[in-house]
Formats: sequence, C-alpha cells, structure tokens
Amino acid sequence: KQEVTQIPAALSVPEGENLVLNCSFTDSAIYNLQWFRQDPGKGLTSLLLIQSSQREQTSGRLNASLDKSSGRSTLYIAASQPGDSATYLCAVNSNYQLIWGAGTKLIIKP
Amino acid sequence: SQTIHQWPATLVQPVGSPLSLECTVEGTSNPNLYWYRQAAGRGLQLLFYSVGIGQISSEVPQNLSASRPQDRQFILSSKKLLLSDSGFYLCAWSVSRQRITDTQYFGPGTRLTVL
Repeated sequence: KQEVTQIPAALSVPEGENLVLNCSFTDSAIYNLQWFRQDPGKGLTSLLLIQSSQREQTSGRLNASLDKSSGRSTLYIAASQPGDSATYLCAVNSNYQLIWGAGTKLIIKP
Repeated sequence: SQTIHQWPATLVQPVGSPLSLECTVEGTSNPNLYWYRQAAGRGLQLLFYSVGIGQISSEVPQNLSASRPQDRQFILSSKKLLLSDSGFYLCAWSVSRQRITDTQYFGPGTRLTVL
C-alpha cells in the first residue's frame, strides 16, 4: 500500500532564504508525482508535475526533483517571499490513484 | 479557459440533515471529475470519481453519495450527515484521456461543519 509522508509538517523561515520541502513515498512504482499549493481555506493549485521518467521540473523559483528508487521528492524554493506562505502538498500517482501527503505548512517571515 | 466552481463556500449543518454540494466545470468537455475530503492536518482522501455521465466510482465506503447528471456537473450528497462528515470538500477535474494521470485542477472548496 502506497504511503506518502511530508516532513516537516510546518516550517517558518525568514524572507529571502532558500528552502527545501520533502516528500517520501513507500512504493517506487509510480506514474508521476505532483506538488500543489494550498492557501488557507482555498482550493489547490498545481505547481509542478514530474513524470516517473523525469528527474526534475522547474517553474520560476521552484524546482522539484524526483528519485524514484529512493522514494523521495523535494521541492526547492529559491529566494523565498512572504507570498510563498501556504501549505504545500505532494501527491503520488500510483496504481491509478493519487495518494496524498498531509502537507507542509510554510510561513515566510518578512 | 477552463474554470471550476463549487458552492456553497461554507456550510453549517446539524447532524442528521441532508447535504448537497455542487461542482461545475466550464471550458472543457467530458472531463474526469473527482470529489475529495480534506480533514484537518491530513492528506486529501478521494471519495468519488467519474469518467462520464452517470458513471460514479466510490473509493471509500461511507454515508455519502455522488451523482453526475450532466457532463460538467458533479454533486456530492448525503441523506443524513454525521459529525465525522465535517471537513473541507474539494472538487477537481482532469483531462479524460486516462484516469488520474494528468494534472488535476481544483475548485475553491466547501467548508462543511456538522454540529
């Protein structure tokens, strides 16, 4: 059974720092992995999707990596800004289902 | 461009009352549609998905049901709400080429509180 874990559950850093969010999964047989952003009380916004054959994807200040063999993905945020404050969720597409982590709540302090 | 709507945005209901949440998608045809529930501090849980009108698959046994009366309309219902039904309900859609292989696009969600 696929399980997805995100560590840490919460993270608070000063503005301008580079940071890494972690996502791990137990079964390496995945189709793809997605990172989403959720603002308080709002729906989810897709940030990056990495296919199982890819190692990384980049969008602006965001870079997501995927290491299937070790069951890990990281989301790197460069030069963090207060507007990056949100909960970040990763979801693994495994066996035709999206299995979700519980998220990392990120606070960027001005 | 495609947009997805959910209503109501918030809802407070007594235990035992019925429920109807609606989701509609604009700007695309024959989408895959999904209902998720997000409990506090937990990941999203897939409740139902649909690949076409009248085609509903349930992922989790519960007192909720879903219907798809039109191509771009997805409804989540209950005859009698339980306290445990409280949570944040999200509707999503994806391109219908394959099930859950493309990026899913989410609606704004409905915050349900059952008292």
